Amino acid sequence: GENVEQHPSTLSVQEGDSAVIKCTYSDSASNYFPWYKQELGKGPQLIIDIRSNVGEKKDQRIAVTLNKTAKHFSLHITETQPEDSAVYFCAANRNSGGSNYKLTFGKGTLLTVNP
Amino acid sequence: ETGVTQTPRHLVMGMTNKKSLKCEQHLGHNAMYWYKQSAKKPLELMFVYSLEERVENNSVPSRFSPECPNSSHLFLHLHTLQPEDSALYLCASSPARLNNEQFFGPGTRLTVL
Repeated sequence: GENVEQHPSTLSVQEGDSAVIKCTYSDSASNYFPWYKQELGKGPQLIIDIRSNVGEKKDQRIAVTLNKTAKHFSLHITETQPEDSAVYFCAANRNSGGSNYKLTFGKGTLLTVNP
Repeated sequence: ETGVTQTPRHLVMGMTNKKSLKCEQHLGHNAMYWYKQSAKKPLELMFVYSLEERVENNSVPSRFSPECPNSSHLFLHLHTLQPEDSALYLCASSPARLNNEQFFGPGTRLTVL
């Protein structure tokens, strides 16, 4: 089955700096890679996703890059703000028709943005 | 807050109790999920329902019993739980079989005494 590794487990940055979180996956057939943000006391919220037919996707201050050859993908947050502080999860999935429901998650990264 | 709601938000129960968690999605999605979230572990998928049919059951102990009466509602019935079952239980939904964008509810924080 799929295995997703996420690093680092904790990340502390100064407000205004950039933050990068990296994930690797094992199943070369995986083709959908979402990122979730989980604030304290809330469920995970989808913030950005990428499919394997593109290498990069941006949405304002956040971007995701995908390297299919190396089987890794990264979340980039620029101009970080204190409200970006949360736990971030990456995930991978193979949308291939059959049993395509399973999102395999990384263990999460606790991001702290210091004012 | 998303279009997925969960009740109760917090639950404390003894090992001999029977309780149920409820999830409702207002997004018109066709698939619903139960996840378990424990500290320092990745989210664990427990059950998946698609159009009210269970399509995945990840070797979850029988003391957890899911029910999906329609595509908008999902329940998790609990009985004779163990302290190690204490965790955040998350419900999610996704639009369709080939679209796996999952939207999560806020979760139920369960404590088993």
